[in-house]
Amino acid sequence: DQQVKQNSPSLSVQEGRISILNCDYTNSMFDYFLWYKKYPAEGPTFLISISSIKDKNEDGRFTVFLNKSAKHLSLHIVPSQPGDSAVYFCAASAKSQGGSEKLVFGKGTKLTVNP
Amino acid sequence: DTGVSQDPRHKITKRGQNVTFRCDPISEHNRLYWYRQTLGQGPEFLTYFQNEAQLEKSRLLSDRFSAERPKGSFSTLEIQRTEQGDSAMYLCASSLYASTEAFFGQGTRLTVV
Repeated sequence: DQQVKQNSPSLSVQEGRISILNCDYTNSMFDYFLWYKKYPAEGPTFLISISSIKDKNEDGRFTVFLNKSAKHLSLHIVPSQPGDSAVYFCAASAKSQGGSEKLVFGKGTKLTVNP
Repeated sequence: DTGVSQDPRHKITKRGQNVTFRCDPISEHNRLYWYRQTLGQGPEFLTYFQNEAQLEKSRLLSDRFSAERPKGSFSTLEIQRTEQGDSAMYLCASSLYASTEAFFGQGTRLTVV
């Protein structure tokens, strides 16, 4: 059962426009959410995160919005740049029995920013 | 380079052979994770260490898999009697205690032929 869902496998936007990547989750115990960016043949790179007590977190061109009632979060990138082209993973964590705060990932959305 | 380091980057092995991967976390990070990623999927949690203690293991971690983190520094992941279904990218990540942001290494791509 997919606890974190990214329903759009791919997204294509023009350079300078806004990119909006969406993520839905089902586990109400999740209390921390993260976005990672991944280039081919590399490990995921941490991008931005948000705690469940907030509804927005901003870092430069990247903003994450959290709607707890809808169990939905989104990543906004504005303005989009060709270097942003990558696969973006949404991840969530909850306190587990072992205390690991392990991450549960979605399947990813491939973003292509066209010059 | 003070990031998470994994070795080797690529491994091709014949079915039935044993393989071992190494991960060197960021030096001050006391939490270490192993994940596995297959094509078209996000990374899936395998196991977690806090210092040298292995505190959590996924159901994905069959008896053929074993992980260690002696002295709470580097970690190794061994797969015995490899199967074709073990072909995947094996990712190591580390974080500080009480921090959820995990930093990943570049991964080890395993191909079982």
